[in-house]
Amino acid sequence: AQSVTQLGSHVSVSEGALVLLRCNYSSSVPPYLFWYVQYPNQGLQLLLKYTSAATLVKGINGFEAEFKKSETSFHLTKPSAHMSDAAEYFCAVTANNNDMRFGAGTRLTVKP
Amino acid sequence: GAGVSQTPSNKVTEKGKYVELRCDPISGHTALYWYRQSLGQGPEFLIYFQGTGAADDSGLPNDRFFAVRPEGSVSTLKIQRTERGDSAVYLCASSLNTGGGTDTQYFGPGTRLTVL
Repeated sequence: AQSVTQLGSHVSVSEGALVLLRCNYSSSVPPYLFWYVQYPNQGLQLLLKYTSAATLVKGINGFEAEFKKSETSFHLTKPSAHMSDAAEYFCAVTANNNDMRFGAGTRLTVKP
Repeated sequence: GAGVSQTPSNKVTEKGKYVELRCDPISGHTALYWYRQSLGQGPEFLIYFQGTGAADDSGLPNDRFFAVRPEGSVSTLKIQRTERGDSAVYLCASSLNTGGGTDTQYFGPGTRLTVL
């Protein structure tokens, strides 16, 4: 079975600062990993996904994540936070795309 | 094109009642998924359809929950004898299902179910 753990339910950064949202996974088989963003009253939107090609994955809105097998991590980063990045972020894992397992989410706050 | 749509957006019902939640996937997507998102939690997998058949219903919490997709497009999630603990946002997603884990699941806005 697969699972993910997101470290930190709330992260607060200043506008222009580095964004780092942590995700560690557990999987008995090579995983597929995803980051989704959820804005208030909106559906989940895919930011990026790792599908065993390049370990550094670039997504939308300037976000990227690096798959590190030795650390079982898939942390999400963005060099410079923008006010519009404030949202809930979810890390997810699947082995076969049938039953995606999500983390509990990290709420990102961006201070002016 | 149109994304995944879900109706109603909000549903308030009384304990013990029956509810139906509808999902319209993106046209041409053969795979459809239902998730439940409780307050402060990530989405929890309920059931996955490939075409008309439920390929994996291991996430359904009990036999009060049932879902159908009779024509391989629209799906309905049905909850009998609702309980207060069923209150959550029910999310639907669809994907092309080209195989493997590379498909992107596109999510609808969800139906917020409140059981009084």
